Amino acid sequence: NAGVTQTPKFQVLKTGQSMTLQCAQDMNHEYMSWYRQDPGMGLRLIHYSVGAGITDQGEVPNGYNVSRSTTEDFPLRLLSAAPSQTSVYFCASSPSQGPYEQYFGPGTRLTVT
Amino acid sequence: GENVEQHPSTLSVQEGDSAVIKCTYSDSASNYFPWYKQELGKRPQLIIDIRSNVGEKKDQRIAVTLNKTAKHFSLHITETQPEDSAVYFCAASSGNQGGKLIFGQGTELSVKP
Repeated sequence: NAGVTQTPKFQVLKTGQSMTLQCAQDMNHEYMSWYRQDPGMGLRLIHYSVGAGITDQGEVPNGYNVSRSTTEDFPLRLLSAAPSQTSVYFCASSPSQGPYEQYFGPGTRLTVT
Repeated sequence: GENVEQHPSTLSVQEGDSAVIKCTYSDSASNYFPWYKQELGKRPQLIIDIRSNVGEKKDQRIAVTLNKTAKHFSLHITETQPEDSAVYFCAASSGNQGGKLIFGQGTELSVKP
């Protein structure tokens, strides 16, 4: 049972490049979320999903796309990277039935130059 | 949407003293309030949570209290130890949307030996 996995761990992009951050979980959780963490800003919700085929915007969705074709996977796409997207990105999953503990992945540190 | 405010942003205590971190939330529909601890360079880890039908919950040296009328909840750590030093985040979730956690800005707790 690997829990929540994220790849890559580190990434450097140039402005305007695109990439996908991968997230997978093997706990059969319905809920999955993406957060970004910036110094002094806490964890801000980007997008979340309550099940396969269902996604919704969080607090800071601009510049990011998501899809949920399977229960296990929830990739985050940056279509045209900007320096403002330099951050640490965490993926998390939780069951739809209580308890609702969110399990976080190890994070991806992204730098956009 | 939900908004969570957390205070203080930094807290320094002597080993053995108590520490209290406070959060307020805006959405009266929120009914799940977890607290996470994040050590430097690591992922957030759940330390305690409370549902809106409970006013207080304890787990050894950690307790959380919830005042639904005032829309605030607090984390209490007693007999603090140096290993309690970390950043602590509160969060709130509404309805059954366990995947949609809104976090406070975080409190950096330093426990001095």
